[in-house]
Amino acid sequence: GENVEQHPSTLSVQEGDSAVIKCTYSDSASNYFPWYKQELGKRPQLIIDIRSNVGEKKDQRIAVTLNKTAKHFSLHITETQPEDSAVYFCAASENSGYALNFGKGTSLLVTP
Amino acid sequence: GAVVSQHPSWVICKSGTSVKIECRSLDFQATTMFWYRQFPKQSLMLMATSNEGSKATYEQGVEKDKFLINHASLTLSTLTVTSAHPEDSSFYICSADPENTEAFFGQGTRLTVV
Repeated sequence: GENVEQHPSTLSVQEGDSAVIKCTYSDSASNYFPWYKQELGKRPQLIIDIRSNVGEKKDQRIAVTLNKTAKHFSLHITETQPEDSAVYFCAASENSGYALNFGKGTSLLVTP
Repeated sequence: GAVVSQHPSWVICKSGTSVKIECRSLDFQATTMFWYRQFPKQSLMLMATSNEGSKATYEQGVEKDKFLINHASLTLSTLTVTSAHPEDSSFYICSADPENTEAFFGQGTRLTVV
C-alpha cells in the first residue's frame, strides 16, 4: 500500500519568513496530492492540492510542487503569519474520490 | 462547498458499552464515505470505506466486528464502536467526496471511554 513520509515533524519560523514542508510517497499509482491544515480538535481543511499532470500550483501565499519521478511533493508558505500556526498534513491517493493516505503531520509555529 | 456533518461531536461512555457515530452528507448523495481515526498528536488513519448498500471495506488491523459500519442510505453512514475500551478513545472523523474533486470532512467525534 501507499506510504507517505512527511518532514519535518515540527517547524518554527518567525512571522514573515517562509515555511517549507516536504513529503514523499511510495506508490507510483498515486495521482492526487492534497494538503490539509488542522487546528486542534477541528476537521482538516484543504488548503491546496495538486494532480500528477501538474508540476506546480500556487494560491496566494501557498504553493505546492510535485516531482512525480522522485515521488516527492512540497508545500511552501510565504510571508507566514501567526494564524498560519497549525498542524499541516500531506496526503496521497490514486485520485480524488479515493481514500487518502496521510503523512504524520507537521506542527507549524509562527512566532510574531 | 459540500457539507458533511457528524454527530455527536463528543461522547463519553463506559467500558463495555457501545457508541454510535453518525456521518451525514447534508447537500449531496454519497455512495462512498470514509472513516478515519486520529489519536492525539497523530495522523489520520483510514479505518474503513463505507459503501452504500453493501458491506464496508476494512483496513488491515481494524476489527470489523468491533467497528460496525452501516451505510443504509445515500446520505448516512454510521460507525458503531462495540464493547468500547479505553484504548478506543480517539477522534473519529468521516469524509465524502461528492464530485470526486475534493474530500469534505465531518467535524469529527471525540470519543472518551472511561
